[in-house]
This record gives sequence, structure tokens and C-alpha cells, in this order.
Amino acid sequence: DAKTTQPTSMDCAEGRAANLPCNHSTISGNEYVYWYRQIHSQGPQYIIHGLKNNETNEMASLIITEDRKSSTLILPHATLRDTAVYYCIASGGGADGLTFGKGTHLIIQP
Amino acid sequence: DSGVTQTPKHLITATGQRVTLRCSPRSGDLSVYWYQQSLDQGLQFLIQYYNGEERAKGNILERFSAQQFPDLHSELNLSSLELGDSALYFCASSVGQGRTEAFFGQGTRLTVV
Repeated sequence: DAKTTQPTSMDCAEGRAANLPCNHSTISGNEYVYWYRQIHSQGPQYIIHGLKNNETNEMASLIITEDRKSSTLILPHATLRDTAVYYCIASGGGADGLTFGKGTHLIIQP
Repeated sequence: DSGVTQTPKHLITATGQRVTLRCSPRSGDLSVYWYQQSLDQGLQFLIQYYNGEERAKGNILERFSAQQFPDLHSELNLSSLELGDSALYFCASSVGQGRTEAFFGQGTRLTVV
């Protein structure tokens, strides 16, 4: 898996869009960008993944730059329940699991 | 609810003992992954099975072993337990072997005393 770099922590006001950046400058052509989050010692929760194109689902949007060296996860209307550690992972989907880094601790402020 | 079931939720045992953690994957998922999460190490990949066969090994100690049964449930066996094995152990499942999202269970919290 390619190395990813994320800010250690971020704050966002409730009701606002939370934009979480991720740098993956060494990503290779067959590696997808995955986002997971973990709410205080619960099991990690899948959010979204993509290869080249921007993706949207009921939870979030994923914006991948054209050169694929960075991406942004957008939570459109953050709530207090979105407070969690968010992990960005670049993975070729091999059978060796996902490599979780330290992630970004997102704190939603009331 | 991810659909992945792990039992037990909590386990307290003494050093030197052996325990078995169980995981039932989501219906239809053929891959099972095991992860360990301790306070100082973050989420570490241990091992993966696909349709009953071991497919990948990560940072799994020789004292640990796993298997996936014909009904696709999986067990992680931890033996000669040490204090440092205290951690959260997560199981995840996915449909295929890669390029698909993985769904995690709620974990087993193991405390070795």
C-alpha cells in the first residue's frame, strides 16, 4: 500500500461541511483510495472508496485530484456523531489487508 | 450493524493461557481478515483467509493461529498469552480478496492479567 499522510486532528462546527485531506503522492495506478472511520474503540466503518473519479454515497463524497496524488473526504453536514478517527488508505486491493495509519481525529464542535 | 459478528465481546484471562476468538462474516462474504489494535500500535493486520484458505499473513506472532471453516466462520487462537497481547481484536469480511470494501465487527477486547 502506498504511504498516506493526514493531519493529526481537525475541528469542524456542527452543520458545516467537514473536509478531510489526504496526501498519497506515491500512489500507483492500480491503487484505490479508501476511507474508513473509527468511533471510539468501535470497529472501523467503511465510508467510501474510489480510483480516479469522484465518488459520492449516502455518507460522504470523495474528491480525487487529477494526478491522484491527493484526495479529500467531504462530510457535507457534519453532526456530533461524526466525531471519530478517519483513516485514508491507498491500496491495490491485494490479499494482505489494509494498512491503517494514525488517521485524522475529527472533532465536531456544537 | 455491519453484519459481522464477533464473540466474545470481552475476555479476561491470565498470562500463559490460551483463548479462541470467533468471527462470523457477513452473509455471502468469502474473505475474513483479523486485525489487532493496541494503544501504542494502532490497527495491525494479522492474517487473511479466503474461502477456507490462508491468503496473506501480516504481523502475526507464531503463538497466534487462525482458521476459516467450511461454513466460512473464522477463529483466531492466541496461546501462551503475555501481558502485551492485551488489545482489541477485530475481524473484517469482504466479498472478494481485494478492491472491495471490508466490513468490521465490533471487536473482542482481550485483557491479559
